[in-house]
Amino acid sequence: DTGVSQDPRHKITKRGQNVTFRCDPISEHNRLYWYRQTLGQGPEFLTYFQNEAQLEKSRLLSDRFSAERPKGSFSTLEIQRTEQGDSAMYLCASSVASGRVSVNEQFFGPGTRLTVL
Amino acid sequence: AQSVTQLDSQVPVFEEAPVELRCNYSSSVSVYLFWYVQYPNQGLQLLLKYLSGSTLVKGINGFEAEFNKSQTSFHLRKPSVHISDTAEYFCAVVDRGSTLGRLYFGRGTQLTVWP
Repeated sequence: DTGVSQDPRHKITKRGQNVTFRCDPISEHNRLYWYRQTLGQGPEFLTYFQNEAQLEKSRLLSDRFSAERPKGSFSTLEIQRTEQGDSAMYLCASSVASGRVSVNEQFFGPGTRLTVL
Repeated sequence: AQSVTQLDSQVPVFEEAPVELRCNYSSSVSVYLFWYVQYPNQGLQLLLKYLSGSTLVKGINGFEAEFNKSQTSFHLRKPSVHISDTAEYFCAVVDRGSTLGRLYFGRGTQLTVWP
């Protein structure tokens, strides 16, 4: 079990550029979550996948954000036309669905820290 | 809707002293409760969780928490802290009826342990 990995760990970009982050969940986990954490705040839910299906999106996920999980394995989160307000830590988590799904532990990756200049 | 309030943004303590990190929640539905820890430049790690049964739950690294339904609280405690406990701690809830397990987090409490 290598845990959840995220790439890159840090990204600095200029306002208006597009960025893409990748998350590799734990191999047998069919549930994948994206959260955003800004300075001084707790993580906030962005979106959720079960296998390859994106089942819920937060209102925080504007139309500049898009997430995919092709083949139900790794996931990508793309931000188009970045703004300074997008600067945050983007966290990915995965879990396995069994029984009462809401109690399944979510395993978090180390995050991608985005800085928009 | 669920909300989580962590009453202290920063808690400084000396090594070997006891500590309590406070968490209160508000929810229109029943919830499960969690505490996560985040070390610098790392992701979140689960410390402990309350699902049902005994209201006193024990977690990793000597931490424990007590669920108080009447006060809607889930305070985290450790009788004797170490410098290595310095980290950010997050309280979180999940709707018991949720089919996706979305976590709602508090703003976090920075615990700093001094020698």
